[in-house]
Amino acid sequence: NAGVTQTPKFQVLKTGQSMTLQCAQDMNHEYMSWYRQDPGMGLRLIHYSVGAGITDQGEVPNGYNVSRSTTEDFPLRLLSAAPSQTSVYFCASTPRPEEGYTFGSGTRLTVV
Amino acid sequence: DQQVKQNSPSLSVQEGRISILNCDYTNSMFDYFLWYKKYPAEGPTFLISISSIKDKNEDGRFTVFLNKSAKHLSLHIVPSQPGDSAVYFCAAHWGNDMRFGAGTRLTVKP
Repeated sequence: NAGVTQTPKFQVLKTGQSMTLQCAQDMNHEYMSWYRQDPGMGLRLIHYSVGAGITDQGEVPNGYNVSRSTTEDFPLRLLSAAPSQTSVYFCASTPRPEEGYTFGSGTRLTVV
Repeated sequence: DQQVKQNSPSLSVQEGRISILNCDYTNSMFDYFLWYKKYPAEGPTFLISISSIKDKNEDGRFTVFLNKSAKHLSLHIVPSQPGDSAVYFCAAHWGNDMRFGAGTRLTVKP
């Protein structure tokens, strides 16, 4: 049982480049979310999904796109990377939010 | 706007003693509150949650207390162990939104 798998673990991008952060879960969870963690700010919700085909914006969605074509996968796309997007990104899933999310191990992204 | 606040960035306690981590919130619509623990280079791990209709929830060494009138919750760890040393995040849930505090770094000294 792999849980939530994120790839890559580390990435360096140049300003203006695009990339996709991958997230997959094997627990058949309906809810999936993307968070970013910045020093002194805790985790902030970027986008979330309540099931395949359904996505919505969180607290800090600008500059990011998501899609949910299957229950298992929830990729996060950076359209045109900016230094302000330098952060650690976490993907998480849960059968119900009040039961607590299972988090991946994170992707550390640096935009130069 | 920071709807969930953890005002103590760090806490140090002796092994075997009680650790108390605090969290304040501003939004009365939150219906669940959760605590997560995070080790370096890992994702957060869910510890315990409490519904807004309850004032206490206990799971082994971990107890969460909720004071709705004060918009305050706390996590008690008894007894504290060196393996509890980590960053603890308080989180609050409403609808499909989850807001996190900035975290408190707990150090348990042997």
